[in-house]
Amino acid sequence: EVQLVESGGGLIQPGGSLRLSCAASGFTVSSNYVTWVRQAPGKGLEWVSLIYSGGSTWYADSVRGRFTISRDNSKNTVYLQMKSLRAEDTAVYYCARGDNVGDYMDVWGKGTTVTVSS
Amino acid sequence: DIQMTQSPSSLSASVGDRVTITCRASQSISTYLNWYQQTPGKAPRLLIYGASSLQGGVPSRFSGSGSGTDFTLTISSLQPEDSATYYCQQSYNTRYTFGQGTKLEIK
Repeated sequence: EVQLVESGGGLIQPGGSLRLSCAASGFTVSSNYVTWVRQAPGKGLEWVSLIYSGGSTWYADSVRGRFTISRDNSKNTVYLQMKSLRAEDTAVYYCARGDNVGDYMDVWGKGTTVTVSS
Repeated sequence: DIQMTQSPSSLSASVGDRVTITCRASQSISTYLNWYQQTPGKAPRLLIYGASSLQGGVPSRFSGSGSGTDFTLTISSLQPEDSATYYCQQSYNTRYTFGQGTKLEIK
């Protein structure tokens, strides 16, 4: 079964750092692209970052320079390193698998919650 | 970035009704348009990809159409389990963007 499981969320003070993990099973993260999408409380979906199978990375303007996406092929896991966190980064963070041919996100994790507050 | 605008923001319909949700892109995106369904506390679920292709396991009452800048998601006969928020999303540009969502309630 193809599955994604996020972890690493929690309560963090403004200016702090946090690393989210997205562990994949049933497929290899090096063969598909993987994205992070977040959802602030009561709000809509916001795309955050993407890592292609070839390794190239992309970021939303709202997180560029503060967030870094990476992957560990040996652990079949994608990470989102978040620094200089702000209150507006408070959200549920989902990782999702991207289909290489069709450019859509077909498998989603259940999400991990990040709360930035003092 | 490409802006995606959905309408309406919310709607209420009865079981058996035909429901249409519209999504407009700020520039042409060909058919790089996907639709997702989200229920409270759950992750989004892919319904339609490439503007009109039905994802496996999705009921055939869901359909999508459009190209360029204007797209629609149609539910041919609304069922109680279709109560959810629906999002369109463009994948024409790698900096993906979503519509603001349409909340669908069952009367």
